Amino acid sequence: EVHLVESGGGLVQPGRSLRLSCAASGFPFGDYAMGWVRQAAGKGLEWISFITGKVYGETREYAASVRGRFIISRDDSKGVAFLEMNSLRTEDTALYFCIRLGPNWFDPWGQGTLVTVSS
Amino acid sequence: QSALTQPASVSGSPGQSITISCTGTSSDVGGYNYVSWYQHHPAKAPKLIIYEVNKRPSGVPDRFSGSKSGNTASLTISGLQAEDEADYYCNSYTSSNTYVFGTGTKVTVL
Repeated sequence: EVHLVESGGGLVQPGRSLRLSCAASGFPFGDYAMGWVRQAAGKGLEWISFITGKVYGETREYAASVRGRFIISRDDSKGVAFLEMNSLRTEDTALYFCIRLGPNWFDPWGQGTLVTVSS
Repeated sequence: QSALTQPASVSGSPGQSITISCTGTSSDVGGYNYVSWYQHHPAKAPKLIIYEVNKRPSGVPDRFSGSKSGNTASLTISGLQAEDEADYYCNSYTSSNTYVFGTGTKVTVL
């Protein structure tokens, strides 16, 4: 069964950094692009970023709202995707979901990890 | 990239059909057949129900269907059931090699 499990969320002060992890299982991780989507409380879904597999050159793309602050990466040997979040702002507070790209849709989704940016 | 436009809410009685629209531009919805739809129940992970405009993943009931005309995609739920009450989001690939979600629609089963 395909499974995605996020970790690394928590409370962080504005301007600080946090790294999220997404552990994948049940499929050939290196063959798939991976990404992140977030949802602030009471708001809609927002696509954040994706990274393709090594065979496609590990292409990375970002939403304008996080470009230059967030960095997506992956470790295919361990089946883990990461989201390094820097210069965090209060508006980055959200539930962050890990996604597998299929290739132009998102399936499955993890359960999410909560990030709270507050002083 | 602006969010795709969806109605905030749609409601229907059990057994009825409802349609949710998703309006974008020629740089996203209108330019590619990469529109997908997601069902999101509170406190659960979103679930893919339609991909590539009108394809259903295995396990998704055939009462869910998708279509597209120009810059607007649509999700139709036929034979509405109580468990269909949830939030629904469209998503599209864009000309910037990114993705954009719709604003989301709350479906209420009366």
